[in-house]
Amino acid sequence: DIQMTQSPSLLSASVGDRVTINCKASQNINKYLNWYQQKLGEAPKLLIYNTNNLQTGIPSRFSGSGSGTDYTLTISSLQPEDFGTYFCFQHNSWPTFGSGTKLEIK
Amino acid sequence: EVQLKESGPGLVQPSQTLSLTCTVSGFSLTDYSVHWVRQPPGKGLEWMGVMWSGGSTAYNSALKSRLSISRDTSKSQVFLKMNSLQTEDTAIYYCTRDDWDYWGQGVMVTVSS
Repeated sequence: DIQMTQSPSLLSASVGDRVTINCKASQNINKYLNWYQQKLGEAPKLLIYNTNNLQTGIPSRFSGSGSGTDYTLTISSLQPEDFGTYFCFQHNSWPTFGSGTKLEIK
Repeated sequence: EVQLKESGPGLVQPSQTLSLTCTVSGFSLTDYSVHWVRQPPGKGLEWMGVMWSGGSTAYNSALKSRLSISRDTSKSQVFLKMNSLQTEDTAIYYCTRDDWDYWGQGVMVTVSS
């Protein structure tokens, strides 16, 4: 199985900050990498699919990049509603998730 | 409108079998596959298995010996059965469509005597 190592596990940032979250796969996942936001008591919400495609309705301050084994989610200007936990997810082979990044707003 | 909704018992006794149903609407199970994913309290997500649109299944190797997924296309339902439950199986169980965009709201299952 492909392991997804996500970092950092906890991130505290201020409104307006640029924030990056990283995921490293244990092998090449051919850009089959999604990013999700999850808030307490809710199902995961798809933000970015296949590395850099913004899901419909998601603000353009979210973006994704990467290739091979290394992928990044960037929030260009953090907003108060962006708090929550973020997960990466690979579907190149049997699906696996990153361990999550809890984003706190200072 | 695409919707998925999980249902099942909130409490299961240790060593017993969990039975969950995912009822879908807005699409056909013969056009889209449906996956099951679970999330223990405060922890990350784990893929459990899939009912492919063609009717075959695949399972997480860690759960394969205990897990069975089936469907009733006429009722637009996908079923999950997992036996020999232990406390570590306590989790929110989600079903999600194969595009990984549409998810059910999840059902909390607690394994406890």
